[in-house]
Amino acid sequence: AQSVTQLGSHVSVSEGALVLLRCNYSSSVPPYLFWYVQYPNQGLQLLLKYTSAATLVKGINGFEAEFKKSETSFHLTKPSAHMSDAAEYFCAVSGPNAGNMLTFGGGTRLMVKP
Amino acid sequence: DTGVSQDPRHKITKRGQNVTFRCDPISEHNRLYWYRQTLGQGPEFLTYFQNEAQLEKSRLLSDRFSAERPKGSFSTLEIQRTEQGDSAMYLCASSSPEVSSYNSPLHFGNGTRLTVT
Repeated sequence: AQSVTQLGSHVSVSEGALVLLRCNYSSSVPPYLFWYVQYPNQGLQLLLKYTSAATLVKGINGFEAEFKKSETSFHLTKPSAHMSDAAEYFCAVSGPNAGNMLTFGGGTRLMVKP
Repeated sequence: DTGVSQDPRHKITKRGQNVTFRCDPISEHNRLYWYRQTLGQGPEFLTYFQNEAQLEKSRLLSDRFSAERPKGSFSTLEIQRTEQGDSAMYLCASSSPEVSSYNSPLHFGNGTRLTVT
């Protein structure tokens, strides 16, 4: 079975500060990992995905994530937060199950202070 | 690519009534998924179609829930005898038939928010 844990349901940063959102996964097989962003009253939008090609993955809007097998982590970072980054962020894992069902973490709400 | 479309965006119903939601996936996508998201939580998988075949159902999908995708295009999710615990955002997603399905990203619609009073 696969699972995802996101540490910190709420993260607050100042505009221009580093953003770090934590994600740890559990998987019995090499995982495929994803980060999604959700703005209020909208669906989820893919930020980036890890598919074993490279451990450092660059996504949209300046976000990137690093896969660390030894730590079973896939933390999301952005060097400088912008007000428009305020949203809910979800880490998800999939693997060789039926279709490519995603198992999501509980989410982290990012707040950006001016 | 017009994106995944869901209708209605909002539905308010009284306990015990039946409701039906519709999802139109991206046209060339053969896989379609339904997820449920309650407030402050991540989406939870409900069911999955490949073309018109329903291949997987979560234990969350009680016998009051039924999903169809009759022609392998749009899908409907029906909830019978709604309960207050059914109040949630119902998200539909679709994905394309890439060589390796496990890393094919899901494209989500904006969801249908159901409120059961």
